[in-house]
Amino acid sequence: AQSVTQPDIHITVSEGASLELRCNYSYGATPYLFWYVQSPGQGLQLLLKYFSGDTLVQGIKGFEAEFKRSQSSFNLRKPSVHWSDAAEYFCAVGGLGKLVFGKGTKLTVNP
Amino acid sequence: DTEVTQTPKHLVMGMTNKKSLKCEQHMGHRAMYWYKQKAKKPPELMFVYSYEKLSINESVPSRFSPECPNSSLLNLHLHALQPEDSALYLCASSHPSGGSYEQYFGPGTRLTVT
Repeated sequence: AQSVTQPDIHITVSEGASLELRCNYSYGATPYLFWYVQSPGQGLQLLLKYFSGDTLVQGIKGFEAEFKRSQSSFNLRKPSVHWSDAAEYFCAVGGLGKLVFGKGTKLTVNP
Repeated sequence: DTEVTQTPKHLVMGMTNKKSLKCEQHMGHRAMYWYKQKAKKPPELMFVYSYEKLSINESVPSRFSPECPNSSLLNLHLHALQPEDSALYLCASSHPSGGSYEQYFGPGTRLTVT
Protein backbone atom coordinates (compact mmCIF):
# COMPACT_ATOMS: atom_id res chain seq x y z
CA ALA A 1 0.00 0.00 0.00
CA GLN A 2 1.16 3.49 -0.69
CA SER A 3 2.19 5.81 2.13
CA VAL A 4 3.69 9.26 2.58
CA THR A 5 5.90 10.56 5.35
CA GLN A 6 6.48 14.23 6.03
CA PRO A 7 9.11 14.20 8.76
CA ASP A 8 8.71 17.82 9.81
CA ILE A 9 5.50 18.71 11.63
CA HIS A 10 6.35 22.40 11.92
CA ILE A 11 8.97 24.57 10.23
CA THR A 12 9.69 28.23 10.91
CA VAL A 13 11.65 30.37 8.46
CA SER A 14 12.33 34.06 8.10
CA GLU A 15 10.82 35.99 5.25
CA GLY A 16 13.23 35.96 2.32
CA ALA A 17 14.95 32.77 3.44
CA SER A 18 14.97 29.60 1.38
CA LEU A 19 12.65 26.72 2.16
CA GLU A 20 12.74 22.97 1.78
CA LEU A 21 9.91 20.72 2.92
CA ARG A 22 10.64 17.02 2.97
CA CYS A 23 8.46 14.22 1.66
CA ASN A 24 9.19 10.50 1.43
CA TYR A 25 6.85 8.06 -0.20
CA SER A 26 6.33 4.35 -0.41
CA TYR A 27 4.73 2.94 -3.53
CA GLY A 28 5.35 -0.22 -5.49
CA ALA A 29 5.01 1.23 -8.98
CA THR A 30 5.73 4.53 -10.68
CA PRO A 31 4.45 7.12 -8.25
CA TYR A 32 2.23 10.03 -9.07
CA LEU A 33 3.26 12.73 -6.61
CA PHE A 34 1.64 15.98 -5.60
CA TRP A 35 2.15 18.92 -3.28
CA TYR A 36 -0.87 20.81 -1.98
CA VAL A 37 -1.08 23.91 0.20
CA GLN A 38 -3.89 24.75 2.60
CA SER A 39 -4.47 28.09 4.29
CA PRO A 40 -6.45 28.01 7.56
CA GLY A 41 -10.09 27.08 7.03
CA GLN A 42 -9.62 26.76 3.28
CA GLY A 43 -9.54 23.99 0.73
CA LEU A 44 -6.39 22.51 -0.74
CA GLN A 45 -4.64 24.16 -3.66
CA LEU A 46 -2.44 22.13 -5.99
CA LEU A 47 1.10 23.52 -6.10
CA LEU A 48 2.69 21.02 -8.46
CA LYS A 49 2.67 17.43 -9.61
CA TYR A 50 5.06 14.79 -10.89
CA PHE A 51 3.99 12.04 -13.23
CA SER A 52 7.07 11.24 -15.30
CA GLY A 53 9.89 12.85 -17.24
CA ASP A 54 11.98 15.69 -15.89
CA THR A 55 12.60 15.08 -12.20
CA LEU A 56 12.59 18.79 -11.36
CA VAL A 57 9.07 20.17 -11.64
CA GLN A 58 7.99 23.75 -11.43
CA GLY A 59 4.77 24.81 -9.78
CA ILE A 60 2.79 27.87 -8.95
CA LYS A 61 3.84 30.64 -6.55
CA GLY A 62 7.54 30.06 -7.27
CA PHE A 63 7.66 26.52 -5.82
CA GLU A 64 9.55 23.62 -7.29
CA ALA A 65 10.03 19.99 -6.29
CA GLU A 66 12.58 17.36 -7.17
CA PHE A 67 11.75 13.69 -7.56
CA LYS A 68 14.53 11.34 -6.45
CA ARG A 69 13.62 7.74 -7.06
CA SER A 70 16.71 6.38 -5.30
CA GLN A 71 15.72 8.20 -2.11
CA SER A 72 11.95 7.81 -2.54
CA SER A 73 11.69 11.53 -1.98
CA PHE A 74 9.81 14.45 -3.47
CA ASN A 75 10.98 17.53 -1.59
CA LEU A 76 9.40 20.92 -2.09
CA ARG A 77 11.59 24.02 -2.37
CA LYS A 78 11.29 27.76 -2.71
CA PRO A 79 14.31 30.08 -2.96
CA SER A 80 12.77 33.03 -1.10
CA VAL A 81 9.75 32.70 1.18
CA HIS A 82 7.07 35.37 1.42
CA TRP A 83 4.88 35.96 4.48
CA SER A 84 1.87 34.81 2.44
CA ASP A 85 3.43 31.33 2.14
CA ALA A 86 2.55 30.60 5.77
CA ALA A 87 0.18 27.64 5.55
CA GLU A 88 -0.07 23.86 5.88
CA TYR A 89 1.64 21.85 3.15
CA PHE A 90 0.63 18.32 2.21
CA CYS A 91 2.54 15.86 0.09
CA ALA A 92 0.43 13.14 -1.56
CA VAL A 93 0.98 10.02 -3.63
CA GLY A 94 -1.62 8.80 -6.08
CA GLY A 95 -2.47 5.30 -7.09
CA LEU A 96 -5.05 2.52 -6.66
CA GLY A 97 -7.83 4.98 -7.33
CA LYS A 98 -7.08 7.54 -4.68
CA LEU A 99 -4.65 9.98 -3.11
CA VAL A 100 -2.82 9.23 0.11
CA PHE A 101 -1.70 12.30 2.02
CA GLY A 102 1.14 12.82 4.42
CA LYS A 103 0.35 14.31 7.82
CA GLY A 104 1.36 17.77 6.66
CA THR A 105 3.99 20.36 7.54
CA LYS A 106 2.93 23.66 9.04
CA LEU A 107 5.01 26.56 7.79
CA THR A 108 5.40 29.69 9.89
CA VAL A 109 7.09 32.73 8.35
CA ASN A 110 8.73 35.29 10.62
CA PRO A 111 8.97 38.90 9.43
CA ASP B 1 -11.62 27.43 -14.87
CA THR B 2 -10.45 25.10 -12.10
CA GLU B 3 -13.14 25.93 -9.58
CA VAL B 4 -15.03 23.58 -7.34
CA THR B 5 -17.79 25.23 -5.34
CA GLN B 6 -19.31 24.02 -2.09
CA THR B 7 -22.36 25.15 -0.19
CA PRO B 8 -22.95 26.01 2.53
CA LYS B 9 -19.67 27.42 3.88
CA HIS B 10 -20.73 26.74 7.45
CA LEU B 11 -23.38 24.43 8.89
CA VAL B 12 -24.50 23.87 12.45
CA MET B 13 -26.83 20.97 13.04
CA GLY B 14 -28.28 19.02 15.90
CA MET B 15 -27.91 15.28 16.21
CA THR B 16 -31.49 14.67 15.07
CA ASN B 17 -31.36 16.96 12.04
CA LYS B 18 -31.13 16.04 8.37
CA LYS B 19 -29.02 18.29 6.20
CA SER B 20 -27.16 18.13 2.91
CA LEU B 21 -23.84 19.42 1.61
CA LYS B 22 -23.56 20.36 -2.04
CA CYS B 23 -20.60 20.38 -4.41
CA GLU B 24 -20.45 21.52 -8.02
CA GLN B 25 -17.79 21.58 -10.73
CA HIS B 26 -17.89 22.64 -14.37
CA MET B 27 -14.51 21.38 -15.51
CA GLY B 28 -15.89 18.32 -17.28
CA HIS B 29 -14.37 16.06 -14.65
CA ARG B 30 -15.88 12.60 -14.35
CA ALA B 31 -14.66 11.75 -10.87
CA MET B 32 -15.76 13.45 -7.67
CA TYR B 33 -14.70 12.89 -4.09
CA TRP B 34 -15.78 13.61 -0.53
CA TYR B 35 -13.14 14.04 2.16
CA LYS B 36 -13.40 14.68 5.89
CA GLN B 37 -10.71 16.75 7.57
CA LYS B 38 -10.30 17.18 11.31
CA ALA B 39 -8.18 19.98 12.73
CA LYS B 40 -4.44 19.60 12.21
CA LYS B 41 -4.94 16.37 10.22
CA PRO B 42 -4.74 15.53 6.52
CA PRO B 43 -7.94 14.97 4.55
CA GLU B 44 -9.44 11.48 4.87
CA LEU B 45 -11.15 10.03 1.85
CA MET B 46 -14.80 9.11 2.35
CA PHE B 47 -16.31 8.43 -1.07
CA VAL B 48 -15.34 8.39 -4.74
CA TYR B 49 -17.76 8.67 -7.63
CA SER B 50 -16.57 7.76 -11.10
CA TYR B 51 -18.87 8.44 -14.04
CA GLU B 52 -21.70 9.07 -11.58
CA LYS B 53 -21.32 5.68 -9.95
CA LEU B 54 -20.01 5.09 -6.44
CA SER B 55 -16.65 3.39 -6.85
CA ILE B 56 -15.08 3.72 -3.39
CA ASN B 57 -16.70 3.85 0.06
CA GLU B 58 -14.05 3.96 2.75
CA SER B 59 -16.25 2.19 5.29
CA VAL B 60 -18.09 5.39 6.11
CA PRO B 61 -20.99 5.14 8.60
CA SER B 62 -24.44 5.04 7.01
CA ARG B 63 -25.38 8.36 8.60
CA PHE B 64 -23.42 9.83 5.67
CA SER B 65 -25.14 9.20 2.36
CA PRO B 66 -23.55 10.41 -0.88
CA GLU B 67 -25.40 11.13 -4.10
CA CYS B 68 -24.20 12.08 -7.56
CA PRO B 69 -27.22 13.34 -9.55
CA ASN B 70 -25.10 14.17 -12.62
CA SER B 71 -21.49 14.59 -13.65
CA SER B 72 -21.30 18.14 -12.26
CA LEU B 73 -23.00 17.70 -8.91
CA LEU B 74 -22.19 15.81 -5.76
CA ASN B 75 -24.24 15.82 -2.58
CA LEU B 76 -23.59 14.48 0.89
CA HIS B 77 -26.73 13.81 2.92
CA LEU B 78 -26.32 13.91 6.66
CA HIS B 79 -28.60 12.31 9.24
CA ALA B 80 -28.30 11.56 12.94
CA LEU B 81 -24.72 12.76 13.13
CA GLN B 82 -22.57 12.65 16.23
CA PRO B 83 -20.50 15.49 17.71
CA GLU B 84 -17.34 13.72 16.56
CA ASP B 85 -18.50 14.20 12.98
CA SER B 86 -17.77 17.92 13.33
CA ALA B 87 -15.07 18.66 10.75
CA LEU B 88 -14.27 20.40 7.48
CA TYR B 89 -15.85 18.49 4.60
CA LEU B 90 -14.02 18.88 1.34
CA CYS B 91 -15.18 18.04 -2.13
CA ALA B 92 -12.78 17.43 -5.00
CA SER B 93 -12.95 16.49 -8.65
CA SER B 94 -10.61 15.10 -11.26
CA HIS B 95 -10.53 13.56 -14.68
CA PRO B 96 -11.37 9.86 -14.50
CA SER B 97 -10.74 8.61 -11.01
CA GLY B 98 -7.43 7.22 -10.00
CA GLY B 99 -4.46 8.67 -8.27
CA SER B 100 -2.77 9.53 -11.53
CA TYR B 101 -4.93 12.59 -12.01
CA GLU B 102 -4.64 15.73 -9.95
CA GLN B 103 -7.64 16.55 -7.82
CA TYR B 104 -9.08 20.03 -7.51
CA PHE B 105 -10.57 20.89 -4.16
CA GLY B 106 -13.40 23.14 -3.12
CA PRO B 107 -13.15 25.51 -0.14
CA GLY B 108 -15.01 23.11 2.14
CA THR B 109 -18.02 23.16 4.43
CA ARG B 110 -17.30 23.66 8.12
CA LEU B 111 -19.74 21.37 9.91
CA THR B 112 -20.51 21.61 13.62
CA VAL B 113 -22.73 18.98 15.23
CA THR B 114 -24.28 20.03 18.54
